Amino acid sequence: TQLLEQSPQFLSIQEGENLTVYCNSSSVFSSLQWYRQEPGEGPVLLVTVVTGGEVKKLKRLTFQFGDARKDSSLHITAAQTGDTGLYLCAGLTNTGNQFYFGTGTSLTVIP
Amino acid sequence: DTEVTQTPKHLVMGMTNKKSLKCEQHMGHRAMYWYKQKAKKPPELMFVYSYEKLSINESVPSRFSPECPNSSLLNLHLHALQPEDSALYLCASSQDPGRLNEQFFGPGTRLTVL
Repeated sequence: TQLLEQSPQFLSIQEGENLTVYCNSSSVFSSLQWYRQEPGEGPVLLVTVVTGGEVKKLKRLTFQFGDARKDSSLHITAAQTGDTGLYLCAGLTNTGNQFYFGTGTSLTVIP
Repeated sequence: DTEVTQTPKHLVMGMTNKKSLKCEQHMGHRAMYWYKQKAKKPPELMFVYSYEKLSINESVPSRFSPECPNSSLLNLHLHALQPEDSALYLCASSQDPGRLNEQFFGPGTRLTVL
């Protein structure tokens, strides 16, 4: 079983549409990160959230950490083809010594 | 320098070969990681080095042997691999394996075992 479940697993949308990716767990995390990985490259860190209820914005991307620090979401407004990639959430458990990646969401934005 | 570099970018090897993957960072990070990743799947943690000591080995077969010669370098020695070991091997580093654990990844080595 995966500690961090992402949904949806695959997503294909038209350019200009909005989308939300979810990252859920039954465990509490002291921090949670979102990465984007393009084909043939390593994951690139987008954001870290550490406070329950925290919202962070990065241009058209909005990240939210759940109040109980068990879940997170990533919302993209007006998707562009450059947003295509594998989106990964990852978290450090509350005990501080275990780090997990989520199951991943593969996003394709069609021109 | 905020980069993690990995060499080679691509590697093809036979099941009887011995090869090594190399990873380097000059950000002063004290934690370094090896991951294995299959297509469209999340990275799977293999090894963690903390302050140049192996702190986590995720039950990786002995045909994979990590080495951390100094705080900037991480190697992965490969011997007698199987075709199912073909994957993207990612190296990452972080300030320390502490609370935030934000990891910086290299571009990976695409390994094909014939």
